[in-house]
Amino acid sequence: AQTVTQSQPEMSVQEAETVTLSCTYDTSESDYYLFWYKQPPSRQMILVIRQEAYKQQNATENRFSVNFQKAAKSFSLKISDSQLGDAAMYFCAYRKTSYDKVIFGPGTSLSVIP
Amino acid sequence: NAGVTQTPKFRVLKTGQSMTLLCAQDMNHEYMYWYRQDPGMGLRLIHYSVGEGTTAKGEVPDGYNVSRLKKQNFLLGLESAAPSQTSVYFCASSYDIRAGGQETQYFGPGTRLLVL
Repeated sequence: AQTVTQSQPEMSVQEAETVTLSCTYDTSESDYYLFWYKQPPSRQMILVIRQEAYKQQNATENRFSVNFQKAAKSFSLKISDSQLGDAAMYFCAYRKTSYDKVIFGPGTSLSVIP
Repeated sequence: NAGVTQTPKFRVLKTGQSMTLLCAQDMNHEYMYWYRQDPGMGLRLIHYSVGEGTTAKGEVPDGYNVSRLKKQNFLLGLESAAPSQTSVYFCASSYDIRAGGQETQYFGPGTRLLVL
């Protein structure tokens, strides 16, 4: 069965600095999708970035980028120039291409220090 | 375009009471999902639907029932609420990836449920 692990329950970063959130996953599939979702105090789940496993190039969305290491089954999220509004829970998620369900990790709580 | 909406936002129930949570989406998505979120456990899938009139069990279906009578609505029912069902419930929807749609799920704002 697929699993998603986030080994850092809590992280903090100084405003304007860079922080990396870790995620590892377990799968026997070769083709799948990976996601990072952000959940601010409002509790809304917001898609931050997604990566298709067949693409070698790491996805980037403005200040957010990923380091996708397929062989190591690692999918970390880098946030550059951190802002106060980045403070939230971040969830790593996995979805098999032909499968309907998304499997979420337990989340990492990110604090941004002014 | 409201996206995914959930009703109610917050509810308090007594043990044994029943209630229905409503999820509505206006994006013409085929797939809809119900998750619960508990501290330290991320989101866990309760039930999901791949189209109007269809439902399927997720990871934690016990104690819940669902119905998808209309494509835009997905109802989650608790027939006899228990304190263990105290949680935050999220609805989500997505396109049919097998029909060439995107795989991204769009989430509603959540419903806080407290069972006493």
